[in-house]
Amino acid sequence: NAGVTQTPKFQVLKTGQSMTLQCAQDMNHEYMSWYRQDPGMGLRLIHYSVGAGITDQGEVPNGYNVSRSTTEDFPLRLLSAAPSQTSVYFCASRLPGSNEQFFGPGTRLTVL
Amino acid sequence: SQQGEEDPQALSIQEGENATMNCSYKTSINNLQWYRQNSGRGLVHLILIRSNEREKHSGRLRVTLDTSKKSSSLLITASRAADTASYFCAPDRGSTLGRLYFGRGTQLTVWP
Repeated sequence: NAGVTQTPKFQVLKTGQSMTLQCAQDMNHEYMSWYRQDPGMGLRLIHYSVGAGITDQGEVPNGYNVSRSTTEDFPLRLLSAAPSQTSVYFCASRLPGSNEQFFGPGTRLTVL
Repeated sequence: SQQGEEDPQALSIQEGENATMNCSYKTSINNLQWYRQNSGRGLVHLILIRSNEREKHSGRLRVTLDTSKKSSSLLITASRAADTASYFCAPDRGSTLGRLYFGRGTQLTVWP
């Protein structure tokens, strides 16, 4: 199993540009989540999904959209990038119930 | 707030010493999980302790849970330089909501 994969690893955007961060998992996990990590702030939950077709907002959803058309994929869209979205983004997945969460390697995004 | 709060924020010790990190939380939980993050990497699950357990061991790791005080501790015995990382706790309510929240973590530095 490849686990949780994220692309790209690094990205630089200009203010106002849009882009999609890709996340995929091959473990048949129903739950998937997106976090951002900023220095001194820990991980903050952006959006999460409990299954295909079902998504919901986390702590910091503004400026981000998600969709979940398949169990495997959970892309995160930045509609109009802002410097405040400069961060490291992590995707994670897990099985329903009380189980460990698996994290991807992260995408480091810089918005100029 | 559904995340845990780790304490201390930073901990610096010598190889061979024990490292103790604490976690406090506010909600009722089904279990509590500890994760490690090496610099520039995603989080990796270390250990899960269920609400009906008081102590759990895994190799050099010992986790305790006191649900009456809503607190947990992670002890790493005989620390090694390779244990240098950030450590996060995640209180899990075990519901079908799928959300898992993380705090700011404890940055552990183990000097050779």
